[in-house]
Amino acid sequence: DAMVIQNPRYQVTQFGKPVTLSCSQTLNHNVMYWYQQKSSQAPKLLFHYYDKDFNNEADTPDNFQSRRPNTSFCFLDIRSPGLGDAAMYLCATSSRGLTYEQYFGPGTRLTVT
Amino acid sequence: AQTVTQSQPEMSVQEAETVTLSCTYDTSESDYYLFWYKQPPSRQMILVIRQEAYKQQNATENRFSVNFQKAAKSFSLKISDSQLGDAAMYFCAYRKTQGGSEKLVFGKGTKLTVNP
Repeated sequence: DAMVIQNPRYQVTQFGKPVTLSCSQTLNHNVMYWYQQKSSQAPKLLFHYYDKDFNNEADTPDNFQSRRPNTSFCFLDIRSPGLGDAAMYLCATSSRGLTYEQYFGPGTRLTVT
Repeated sequence: AQTVTQSQPEMSVQEAETVTLSCTYDTSESDYYLFWYKQPPSRQMILVIRQEAYKQQNATENRFSVNFQKAAKSFSLKISDSQLGDAAMYFCAYRKTQGGSEKLVFGKGTKLTVNP
């Protein structure tokens, strides 16, 4: 089945230690999104790629960066995680020009110790 | 700016009964998309139902239907014959176009509990 895959599902990192979360998709969608979701809150968009074009949200901290080496993969890099970065990170994809709905991965729960 | 408001942080329903989750939004656009997403505990977010604003007919997907009132900017979700598996966070979302990109603006969510 076509899907959005996130690895790892759970990630523990130390305060200040860089961490990378990954997302892959078999849907061949041209748009990929990264969201941060804290407990009992709505997902907050960090940035998204439309093909190779990177679109950063104005309030996304510089600590968060992303890479999309090809259509299928997208990475979220947190350069120096703080305790406040502990959250669920959701990857989503969509295909521009079609139904516009977004397909979400299962998320990676990040713990910062 | 587009905003989405879900005024019910929590709702509960008895199994087999019907529940309606409220959502209002604010926009100056005339054509847009609205969505309801479901996020079960520790599971991924999935699309429940989609409504295109230019369609007057309310969308329906099996036990899920919406009451779309464009003039009132209201988009409620009705779940009929509620099942235990319907227990989840439900997010109302508006598709926003900005600078050629499409984004979702989410409401804060409604936590639905289904009682056996």
